[in-house]
Amino acid sequence: DGGITQSPKYLFRKEGQNVTLSCEQNLNHDAMYWYRQDPGQGLRLIYYSQIVNDFQKGDIAEGYSVSREKKESFPLTVTSAQKNPTAFYLCATLSGTKTGTQYFGPGTRLTVL
Amino acid sequence: GESVGLHLPTLSVQEGDNSIINCAYSNSASDYFIWYKQESGKGPQFIIDIRSNMDKRQGQRVTVLLNKTVKHLSLQIAATQPGDSAVYFCAGVLSGSARQLTFGSGTQLTVLP
Repeated sequence: DGGITQSPKYLFRKEGQNVTLSCEQNLNHDAMYWYRQDPGQGLRLIYYSQIVNDFQKGDIAEGYSVSREKKESFPLTVTSAQKNPTAFYLCATLSGTKTGTQYFGPGTRLTVL
Repeated sequence: GESVGLHLPTLSVQEGDNSIINCAYSNSASDYFIWYKQESGKGPQFIIDIRSNMDKRQGQRVTVLLNKTVKHLSLQIAATQPGDSAVYFCAGVLSGSARQLTFGSGTQLTVLP
């Protein structure tokens, strides 16, 4: 956790609605990441951003969108095109370019009703 | 591509005993490895890391061993305590830009009284 905040902690959405998950950091880290975690599974990369105004698709970007207008913020929008959005979403930042240790926020649990 | 997996999905140990959690990886281009601990409903916490030019690294009550010959790493926890109960993930970092992590599915460690 530390300087990474995610809100809300729990989020409920009706089918067909878009929803935006917040991720804010005060660690002054350049790179930020979004992961999805399903029960009993590891983390899968959705999107990442190495610098402001730039972002790249991860392994499972379909149905998601992001923006990186500020260094501190990397919001994730789960669109209605995401067929199975119910999951635990984790935001992370990267501490340095020579190692690779990512630090995680507390997560947002999204449930589609 | 990289895949990182764990040998056992669950591990139960008696309080006070040592725990060993194993992980295998497939891509020899991984130059950095990280162990994370994740408690239920929370984001992963960094435990310890190791570069590929090392074969052992020790922290407080934890030791990571890396065997590049067989592409295997392990996390040893000494004198396991109830607070150690969690899911443990290993993650590999491929050398190059973005420093993307590839996670295994995790091992659930349960500490028995």
